[in-house]
Amino acid sequence: AQSVTQLGSHVSVSEGALVLLRCNYSSSVPPYLFWYVQYPNQGLQLLLKYTSAATLVKGINGFEAEFKKSETSFHLTKPSAHMSDAAEYFCAVSPTGANSKLTFGKGITLSVRP
Amino acid sequence: EAGVAQSPRYKIIEKRQSVAFWCNPISGHATLYWYQQILGQGPKLLIQFQNNGVVDDSQLPKDRFSAERLKGVDSTLKIQPAKLEDSAVYLCASSLAGAETQYFGPGTRLLVL
Repeated sequence: AQSVTQLGSHVSVSEGALVLLRCNYSSSVPPYLFWYVQYPNQGLQLLLKYTSAATLVKGINGFEAEFKKSETSFHLTKPSAHMSDAAEYFCAVSPTGANSKLTFGKGITLSVRP
Repeated sequence: EAGVAQSPRYKIIEKRQSVAFWCNPISGHATLYWYQQILGQGPKLLIQFQNNGVVDDSQLPKDRFSAERLKGVDSTLKIQPAKLEDSAVYLCASSLAGAETQYFGPGTRLLVL
């Protein structure tokens, strides 16, 4: 079985500050890991994914995440927050391989203060 | 390229009524998924199709939920009869055969009164 833990439900940062959203996973098999972003009243958009190649993954909008097997973590970071980054962020895990089921965390709401 | 299309975007019904949601995946995507997203939670997979066959429906409440993808393209998810706890956003996603990335539609927001 696989699961994802996203601690806390809300993170607030100032514009220009570092964004750090935490994700820890549990998996009995090698995982693929994903970060999705959801803006109000919209579907989920893929930010980045780890599929067992490079452990540091760069995504869209300046986000990146590092897969750390020893810590079972896949934290999302962005050096400088923009107001447009305000949204809900979901971490998800799946077994390796194509067309696998995604198991999502509960999500974290990111607020950006002017 | 057009994304995943879903309709309706919003639906309000009373408990014990029936409701149906429609999804049109990205052209050429063989795999289609339906997820349920309850407020404050992450999406949960209800059912996964590969072409018109069911791959995984282990979390679908089969006493009231049904889904079909008859021609391997569009899909319909039905709830009959609806319960209060079915209030949620129903997300459809699709992916290419052999790919790990799922593309999501805008969702249908269901409120059961």
